[in-house]
Amino acid sequence: QQPVQSPQAVILREGEDAVINCSSSKALYSVHWYRQKHGEAPVFLMILLKGGEQKGHEKISASFNEKKQQSSLYLTASQLSYSGTYFCGTDHSGGSNYKLTFGKGTLLTVNP
Amino acid sequence: KAGVTQTPRYLIKTRGQQVTLSCSPISGHRSVSWYQQTPGQGLQFLFEYFSETQRNKGNFPGRFSGRQFSNSRSEMNVSTLELGDSALYLCASSLGGSPRSYEQYFGPGTRLTVT
Repeated sequence: QQPVQSPQAVILREGEDAVINCSSSKALYSVHWYRQKHGEAPVFLMILLKGGEQKGHEKISASFNEKKQQSSLYLTASQLSYSGTYFCGTDHSGGSNYKLTFGKGTLLTVNP
Repeated sequence: KAGVTQTPRYLIKTRGQQVTLSCSPISGHRSVSWYQQTPGQGLQFLFEYFSETQRNKGNFPGRFSGRQFSNSRSEMNVSTLELGDSALYLCASSLGGSPRSYEQYFGPGTRLTVT
């Protein structure tokens, strides 16, 4: 089942902070975050694994609440380059034969 | 290191035809996943191949099929095209095999228009 992302869209001024949430109705093994700029391919941001392990870019932070089956992506001191659509992908299987189910995305616009 | 490449980048087909899309993963990556992206549905998983074997499949009709070759290159085929198949088709490669390798690298996509 497709995870639910909120908000659907957010507009910031440079330097402001934002939080993007991702919720699932099923137990999660891992959550993956990607950003896609208009007309470009999605780019990997972060993986959060059950048990607390994280892998991603240093300037990106995120949380993973296994009990609530939720993840949040924190964007602090936003820059113009942060603009784009953010997708969370959820994995419910673990193991090597996994598949990601992506949410519909959150459109983030950062203005000067 | 060269990124993921997809060919062709743009394609226009008519209903009922079939189409084959190609994806060359990053050197050393053994897993290739395919996604369909549309404005209404977002990114939807089609299937994933690892070492020439389909490991997982999304909820798409049998008209959508794929394969992976020994050099990890992958092709996706859609037969009897429908108007609703118009979309951006993305492939993504990763090392695969263990959770630490699940970071995916996406190609630029193939924009398919069915008329």
